[in-house]
Amino acid sequence: SQQGEEDPQALSIQEGENATMNCSYKTSINNLQWYRQNSGRGLVHLILIRSNEREKHSGRLRVTLDTSKKSSSLLITASRAADTASYFCATDPIGGGGADGLTFGKGTHLIIQP
Amino acid sequence: DSGVTQTPKHLITATGQRVTLRCSPRSGDLSVYWYQQSLDQGLQFLIQYYNGEERAKGNILERFSAQQFPDLHSELNLSSLELGDSALYFCASSVALDTQYFGPGTRLTVL
Repeated sequence: SQQGEEDPQALSIQEGENATMNCSYKTSINNLQWYRQNSGRGLVHLILIRSNEREKHSGRLRVTLDTSKKSSSLLITASRAADTASYFCATDPIGGGGADGLTFGKGTHLIIQP
Repeated sequence: DSGVTQTPKHLITATGQRVTLRCSPRSGDLSVYWYQQSLDQGLQFLIQYYNGEERAKGNILERFSAQQFPDLHSELNLSSLELGDSALYFCASSVALDTQYFGPGTRLTVL
């Protein structure tokens, strides 16, 4: 079963707008990561946030983590057409020590309209 | 480019056959992970190797097996293929125990 569940499943916005995606998970984690996947291609690592962190920034990306609610959000500001992709959250559960595989959600498909 | 390479890019085969997928990790990465991505199951972790030894197992079928060689490249063997095995197969590698870098994937089609 999926550990992470992204919401919404799909999101379409105009170029220049901000896009927010949410992820909920079930068990306690060491860290949570966000990945991007362009259609049928490999996953690109975007950002990792550890369980003791609440917010992290990387360029136009902002990730928050609320471990009490077991949820995370990914904000992409000033979206561009090139941001069109599927976005996945992946969790590294406690006990895995990072040595096990990540558990992925089903993803949010983001479409940026020019 | 993540530095992880996978071959072949595409593979089309028939039910009952056996195939081998190959992965070369990033230089210096000791861990290799295999994932399967299908429309109905999403991205599923299959198996992990660390420096030649199996480290963790996920949702890997008994018909599937993997190994990591002394030069750290890895192979995923899929046998007695079924239609439902059609999917994208990704390998990822890491040096530290958190960020994983994914290869471009092998698209397997079983007819």
